[in-house]
Amino acid sequence: NAGVTQTPKFRVLKTGQSMTLLCAQDMNHEYMYWYRQDPGMGLRLIHYSVGEGTTAKGEVPDGYNVSRLKKQNFLLGLESAAPSQTSVYFCASSGGTSGGAFADTQYFGPGTRLTVL
Amino acid sequence: AQSVSQHNHHVILSEAASLELGCNYSYGGTVNLFWYVQYPGQHLQLLLKYFSGDPLVKGIKGFEAEFIKSKFSFNLRKPSVQWSDTAEYFCAVIGGSQGNLIFGKGTKLSVKP
Repeated sequence: NAGVTQTPKFRVLKTGQSMTLLCAQDMNHEYMYWYRQDPGMGLRLIHYSVGEGTTAKGEVPDGYNVSRLKKQNFLLGLESAAPSQTSVYFCASSGGTSGGAFADTQYFGPGTRLTVL
Repeated sequence: AQSVSQHNHHVILSEAASLELGCNYSYGGTVNLFWYVQYPGQHLQLLLKYFSGDPLVKGIKGFEAEFIKSKFSFNLRKPSVQWSDTAEYFCAVIGGSQGNLIFGKGTKLSVKP
């Protein structure tokens, strides 16, 4: 199993450009998450999904959109990138077997380092 | 709002020294607790977790953590650190079945050979 994979690994954008980050998991997990990691801030939840076709806002959703058209994929979109969105983005998934969207171990992808100029 | 506090931003130890990283949370009900580690250039990996039962939890690579409900704490310990333990350590908490996973800001551990 590859686990959780993310593409691309690195990206540089200019302010105002758009892009989509792809997350894929092969563990048949119901729940998927997008986080951003900034120095001194830990990880903050952007959006999450409790199943195919569903999405929900996390702690810092503004400026991002997500879609979960297939169970194994969770896409994060930036419609008009801003320098404040320079960060490392992590995708995670979990089975949620203990009850609740977050009540289980999350498995993380390798991250995407995004720089917005 | 729930919050997680990690007391130390950067800890520097020599090899074989003992480690204790503090983690306190602010949720008063049932919690699930995690410690994740991020080695340089790598993604987060689970070190250990506590859902219920024995409050002393043993994880991978010789790490353990103790859940002390009365102190709202879940401190991470290792009796003797190695250079390979150099990493950033994150405490994370889920408060209640509908709560989000809230991460602390992380503690960087540097182990001198």
